Amino acid sequence: QKEVEQDPGPLSVPEGAIVSLNCTYSNSAFQYFMWYRQYSRKGPELLMYTYSSGNKEDGRFTAQVDKSSKYISLFIRDSQPSDSATYLCASGGNNRKLIWGLGTSLAVNP
Amino acid sequence: GAGVSQSPSNKVTEKGKDVELRCDPISGHTALYWYRQSLGQGLEFLIYFQGNSAPDKSGLPSDRFSAERTGGSVSTLTIQRTQQEDSAVYLCASGGVLQETQYFGPGTRLLVL
Repeated sequence: QKEVEQDPGPLSVPEGAIVSLNCTYSNSAFQYFMWYRQYSRKGPELLMYTYSSGNKEDGRFTAQVDKSSKYISLFIRDSQPSDSATYLCASGGNNRKLIWGLGTSLAVNP
Repeated sequence: GAGVSQSPSNKVTEKGKDVELRCDPISGHTALYWYRQSLGQGLEFLIYFQGNSAPDKSGLPSDRFSAERTGGSVSTLTIQRTQQEDSAVYLCASGGVLQETQYFGPGTRLLVL
């Protein structure tokens, strides 16, 4: 079992839809959780960072962490074609090493 | 300010040749990471530097792979006697004050013929 599991998709939605991306993790020691977005032929870029449980909102993006169920979510409201990318979740503990999901490919269709 | 830069952006080499990939981290970032990303695969951790030391080399796939970092800044990843399975995108990331967060460069696309 991988420490961080992520459904690779692909996920295809119409413009304006609410998108839900999810990961699960197995290591109870993980304390921080991130979402990265990677466009084709580019490096990943940090989208959201959350420490411990709870929600964090930034514009159209909301990151949610439920440590009791070891579940990480990213919600995108009013999705746009420019949101089409691969979304990577990552988790880590005290050793500064992030454990990565495989990434979910998202296509937002005009 | 300037982000993480990597060079070359693309590299085509013949099987058996050595290659050097370079990473310039964000100025002041003490943590530096190398990853490999193959088509359709996730990020494969290779090595982590804190300053010039590498406390975690656990991801280097074989002794053909080595990395160094000098002056707490630039890092070089060297692959000796390249094999076709080494073909991938090699990504470098650096970390700042909140060292959990990593900022990535654009990657070097390596193709071994």
